Amino acid sequence: KAGVTQTPRYLIKTRGQQVTLSCSPISGHRSVSWYQQTPGQGLQFLFEYFSETQRNKGNFPGRFSGRQFSNSRSEMNVSTLELGDSALYLCASSSGTSNSGELFFGEGSRLTVL
Amino acid sequence: AQSVTQLGSHVSVSEGALVLLRCNYSSSVPPYLFWYVQYPNQGLQLLLKYTSAATLVKGINGFEAEFKKSETSFHLTKPSAHMSDAAEYFCAVSDSNFGNEKLTFGTGTRLTIIP
Repeated sequence: KAGVTQTPRYLIKTRGQQVTLSCSPISGHRSVSWYQQTPGQGLQFLFEYFSETQRNKGNFPGRFSGRQFSNSRSEMNVSTLELGDSALYLCASSSGTSNSGELFFGEGSRLTVL
Repeated sequence: AQSVTQLGSHVSVSEGALVLLRCNYSSSVPPYLFWYVQYPNQGLQLLLKYTSAATLVKGINGFEAEFKKSETSFHLTKPSAHMSDAAEYFCAVSDSNFGNEKLTFGTGTRLTIIP
């Protein structure tokens, strides 16, 4: 079955702009999590959505937001971009009910902020 | 708060040699522990997981890890390294509360295989 799909794979923005990233989870998965990966900070948890509700949230400013649709697809938005937002943004899906911790990751969206 | 510490940001081993990647955890509740691998320009893939069943966990690609509560460790091993094992490896922890899909990752260990 199809894996986790993230779009776009690469994008370049300038400071002050906003960006929306999209994630389509594996069919049947109801949980979508987002992580930010940078060389300096490593992998950091942004938030998790389950059945259209935010269930967990990491320690990121309010400029980072997300949502999940009824078909489990998720989007994350970053407003007023800063240079430090340059990162690989990874989306992961899971059933959300088994607590197995087995997350299935997409290939990521690489954001460069100039 | 839970955390994992990976000792050694870079590890190099010869092809055919033992691979040992170290991970120590800190958790106030019984932890679930994981090892993920990331190949260049790809997302993360689950190698193996510990969820309080057997302490010796076998994963994909010949990797295994042993949960040692007394040492708060969950080191990853493979008896014989292969060139295709070159990648970055991440240890991760979550608590065992139901419905918690949040993982806390270590800083990663980049594994290089020497021909």
